[in-house]
Amino acid sequence: DSGVTQTPKHLITATGQRVTLRCSPRSGDLSVYWYQQSLDQGLQFLIQYYNGEERAKGNILERFSAQQFPDLHSELNLSSLELGDSALYFCASSVAEGMSGYTFGSGTRLTVV
Amino acid sequence: GQQVMQIPQYQHVQEGEDFTTYCNSSTTLSNIQWYKQRPGGHPVFLIQLVKSGEVKKQKRLTFQFGEAKKNSSLHITATQTTDVGTYFCAGPQNQAGTALIFGKGTTLSVSS
Repeated sequence: DSGVTQTPKHLITATGQRVTLRCSPRSGDLSVYWYQQSLDQGLQFLIQYYNGEERAKGNILERFSAQQFPDLHSELNLSSLELGDSALYFCASSVAEGMSGYTFGSGTRLTVV
Repeated sequence: GQQVMQIPQYQHVQEGEDFTTYCNSSTTLSNIQWYKQRPGGHPVFLIQLVKSGEVKKQKRLTFQFGEAKKNSSLHITATQTTDVGTYFCAGPQNQAGTALIFGKGTTLSVSS
């Protein structure tokens, strides 16, 4: 157990639907990062939050959004799902911004059918 | 934007052979990090390098950061079957950023 909790572990949904992925960071970590991992694209950075505020954006589609709540857990919302959104979604946390390694959760595997 | 490239994409070795993966950035990095992802698992942080020319060792693993802070390497001596997995390097998204951009990784397979 890495200390970063992601739910659900698996999700199967139909095209056009909307899903919410949840992440609880490791205790004491203020930064949360979301990544998408697919076979051909590796780990793609989506978005970062730090202590409730959006800090950085990567290749996040407009159909996707995220937020970090006062208790520091984060949610990634994916809407109007397409087949190509099928991937492993990882959440990671770090104690501070900058010079510290990430702790990853075990991921949510999303399958869009 | 920032790009981090890794080679090779795949590497198969016999147990006991050495293995090296290389990482190159399009820009100078403030630091570089290495992660390992076992099959079916999640990335696990291995190490962070900060200084130009820095070399760090973890048992059979040797990590180097280039003098220009634009490249890095991971060398494994005498591979074991437990070394199987994908090794990623990652650097900050930009000069002021803290979000990491990952290379596509090198997948290592080891046969005994």
